[in-house]
Amino acid sequence: GAGVSQSPSNKVTEKGKDVELRCDPISGHTALYWYRQSLGQGLEFLIYFQGNSAPDKSGLPSDRFSAERTGGSVSTLTIQRTQQEDSAVYLCASSLSRGRKLFFGEGSRLTVL
Amino acid sequence: AQKITQTQPGMFVQEKEAVTLDCTYDTSDPSYGLFWYKQPSSGEMIFLIYQGSYDQQNATEGRYSLNFQKARKSANLVISASQLGDSAMYFCAMREGRGNNRLAFGKGNQVVVIP
Repeated sequence: GAGVSQSPSNKVTEKGKDVELRCDPISGHTALYWYRQSLGQGLEFLIYFQGNSAPDKSGLPSDRFSAERTGGSVSTLTIQRTQQEDSAVYLCASSLSRGRKLFFGEGSRLTVL
Repeated sequence: AQKITQTQPGMFVQEKEAVTLDCTYDTSDPSYGLFWYKQPSSGEMIFLIYQGSYDQQNATEGRYSLNFQKARKSANLVISASQLGDSAMYFCAMREGRGNNRLAFGKGNQVVVIP
């Protein structure tokens, strides 16, 4: 596709369940980022991929959060044993390797009941 | 410490008027980049403009310009000739260092353009 694609766009889950959020970056973009946006807040950095490796995963809030990227393309963010405080919009962005401009997807809205 | 500060309350702007959105930043790194993104109700973050710390000129992109005051650590966004489609949240962000690709975002400014 032409832009960054994220799925699902909306996810409602029960506390304690695991969820997977998917990001399909722009073709050819080697850098991929996950951010989290809580209600009324700015974006909080979670993790950065360059190719399939994650040189910066310092923003992951706990060991319940993990992410992987395969084939230098699609990335999956997994949240295990979800908590209510995990409710947020999870945004994915991609860029050229040393590109300044990040291209964002429309996000996955997660609601944990 | 907060890297990016955006403290203005929500703003109402008359169509065709200019609006200035304030952003101050905090860094000790001499090499950094400043960004402005727009987030309409659809949720997507849209890149507007970029200013590098070593850039001599203030950045401009169409109706967007960045008033970069390095000594004051200020990077205000100016939107000229506001349009109804400019109604959105606006986020200032900073990247520190040359090899670092992560952005630190402010909490955003809400702008509503009224006809």
